[in-house]
Amino acid sequence: QKEVEQNSGPLSVPEGAIASLNCTYSDRVSQSFFWYRQYSGKSPELIMSIYSNGDKEDGRFTAQLNKASQYVSLLIRDSQPSDSATYLCAVNMFSGGYNKLIFGAGTRLAVHP
Amino acid sequence: EAQVTQNPRYLITVTGKKLTVTCSQNMNHEYMSWYRQDPGLGLRQIYYSMNVEVTDKGDVPEGYKVSRKEKRNFPLILESPSPNQTSLYFCASSFLSGTGRNQPQHFGDGTRLSIL
Repeated sequence: QKEVEQNSGPLSVPEGAIASLNCTYSDRVSQSFFWYRQYSGKSPELIMSIYSNGDKEDGRFTAQLNKASQYVSLLIRDSQPSDSATYLCAVNMFSGGYNKLIFGAGTRLAVHP
Repeated sequence: EAQVTQNPRYLITVTGKKLTVTCSQNMNHEYMSWYRQDPGLGLRQIYYSMNVEVTDKGDVPEGYKVSRKEKRNFPLILESPSPNQTSLYFCASSFLSGTGRNQPQHFGDGTRLSIL
């Protein structure tokens, strides 16, 4: 089982719709969760960070975390063509001996006009 | 401006010729890390450092070396590059939390390496 799993997509949504991106992780003790957006050939840029169970909203983006079920999701409201990119879920795996950031393979989102 | 700077941005070289990719950050971050990104495999961590003189292996460390002599710099060294190290490489940095709630990482612009 991969440590961080995402559906590779592509996820295709019409402009103005809600895009829902999901991520599951294997390490029960993880405490830091991040969503990054990456355009082709560019570096990842942070969209959201979330540390506690529940929802966190920032503009059109909402991150949802459920530690009991080991999943984190990202909702994008009023999707725009400029949101078309690959979305990377990242989970910090931390213990006394290591501190690693593990990325999922990413979900490609395509927003069509 | 707060940034992570990698050099070079592009490099084509030959098997066995030692190379170094530099990474520098101006944010006084404790944590620095190197990743490689390959199609279908996503970002994989090569090495990371939690502070000066403290480095540790990530998930794919074979064939790479790093050093952290100064807080701002974290070079990636390929002693004897091979074609399977052809990839897109990213350096990243962040503040480090002792509680495990790490701050988000800031990424450099990437270095595209081709080993012939």
